[in-house]
Amino acid sequence: DTGVSQDPRHKITKRGQNVTFRCDPISEHNRLYWYRQTLGQGPEFLTYFQNEAQLEKSRLLSDRFSAERPKGSFSTLEIQRTEQGDSAMYLCASSLLRSGRITYEQYFGPGTRLTVT
Amino acid sequence: EDQVTQSPEALRLQEGESSSLNCSYTVSGLRGLFWYRQDPGKGPEFLFTLYSAGEEKEKERLKATLTKKESFLHITAPKPEDSATYLCAVRPLGNRDDKIIFGKGTRLHILP
Repeated sequence: DTGVSQDPRHKITKRGQNVTFRCDPISEHNRLYWYRQTLGQGPEFLTYFQNEAQLEKSRLLSDRFSAERPKGSFSTLEIQRTEQGDSAMYLCASSLLRSGRITYEQYFGPGTRLTVT
Repeated sequence: EDQVTQSPEALRLQEGESSSLNCSYTVSGLRGLFWYRQDPGKGPEFLFTLYSAGEEKEKERLKATLTKKESFLHITAPKPEDSATYLCAVRPLGNRDDKIIFGKGTRLHILP
């Protein structure tokens, strides 16, 4: 499968614990995005990377959240001291930005469903 | 503020009953409009990108159209497997951060 993959698919944790999610983008894609989606809502942008550089963070991303993309390949999203309000689907997407032809389609992974009890 | 509104929130159709989903948007300028399909518990699946008013794209029973203020996703003779949530999203012009803004989606249910 050459699509975006995410791990784990489901995570149940107790309030106050730290969790980390992983995203592997489509191999030739240089941009990687994180979104959060709650029930009945569309995905909301959290942050994105071009190669290894984190270029933008949403105000939704409190200082308990941190994302990395070492070496410009896979990315991790860590949530520290989880709260019940963090319960959501965390989606990763990737896209290819190249000179000469700019396209903006983002391709999503299956998501990680987080439940904080 | 950039905004995307989808209607209706939910739609139930009989198999074979054609209809349209609406996506209206308010942005300072449009770089692209996207349609995605999302099945329960899964990530959104890319369907179409539309860049300028008057543009149309088709895929099987789906056809997306774009005007300066809204987009329609027309579904012709739907089948039960077309049941899903359809999401519309926009990328505003001049948006340096490359994020796309999603609507809340239309939940489509096709009855056999």
